Amino acid sequence: AQKITQTQPGMFVQEKEAVTLDCTYDTSDPSYGLFWYKQPSSGEMIFLIYQGSYDQQNATEGRYSLNFQKARKSANLVISASQLGDSAMYFCAMRGAAGNKLTFGGGTRVLVKP
Amino acid sequence: NAGVTQTPKFQVLKTGQSMTLQCAQDMNHEYMSWYRQDPGMGLRLIHYSVGAGITDQGEVPNGYNVSRSTTEDFPLRLLSAAPSQTSVYFCASSYSTYAGIYGYTFGSGTRLTVV
Repeated sequence: AQKITQTQPGMFVQEKEAVTLDCTYDTSDPSYGLFWYKQPSSGEMIFLIYQGSYDQQNATEGRYSLNFQKARKSANLVISASQLGDSAMYFCAMRGAAGNKLTFGGGTRVLVKP
Repeated sequence: NAGVTQTPKFQVLKTGQSMTLQCAQDMNHEYMSWYRQDPGMGLRLIHYSVGAGITDQGEVPNGYNVSRSTTEDFPLRLLSAAPSQTSVYFCASSYSTYAGIYGYTFGSGTRLTVV
C-alpha cells in the first residue's frame, strides 16, 4: 500500500520569501512518481511539478522545485519568491508502478502575507 | 481541446435518490479515475479504469458504481445517496509512456450535497 504524509496543516509565508512544504511517502514499488498540485479557493487541481523515482536530478518548474531525497522518502516542494497568488492548498501525491491512479496526502494550506 | 469535462458542476440530492456524475475526456487517455474530496482533506480514490471495459475499486468504493464502455467516458453512479456522500468529486484521466512520462488531467469537479 502507498501512503503520503503532509505534516504541516497550514503555514504563513511573507511575500517574496521562499517556503518549503514537507511531503514524506511510503511505497514498496521500485518505480513510482511524486506530484505536487495546487488547489486555490476556486477548487480546481493545478499541476505544479513531477519527480520520477529514477530521475537523477531534482525537478524544477519556474518558481517551483522539488527536493527529492529518496533514502529519506521525502519529496518536499520549494516555492521561491512567494506571491499573493500562491495562497492555496497544496497536495503531494504519488503514483505507483502501474501509473493509473494517485494517492494523495492531506494537504498544506499556505497563506502568503503582504 | 476540452480536456476532462465533468457534469454537473453542482447537485443537491435527497437521501435515497440515485444519480450519475458524468466524466468525458477527449485526449485519448487510457486511464481514468474518480476521487472524492471531503472538507479539509486530500483526494481519495473511489474507482479507476485502465481501459474500456476494465474497472477496479479504489480506497472508498462503497455506494458507488462505475462502467467504462468507451475510452472517452467514465460515469460514476450513486446507487442510493447518503449524507456521507456529500463531497466534491473529481474525475481524472491519465497516461503513461515507456519513456516514463506520466500525465494526469483533472476535471473541474462536481460539488454534491445530499440532504
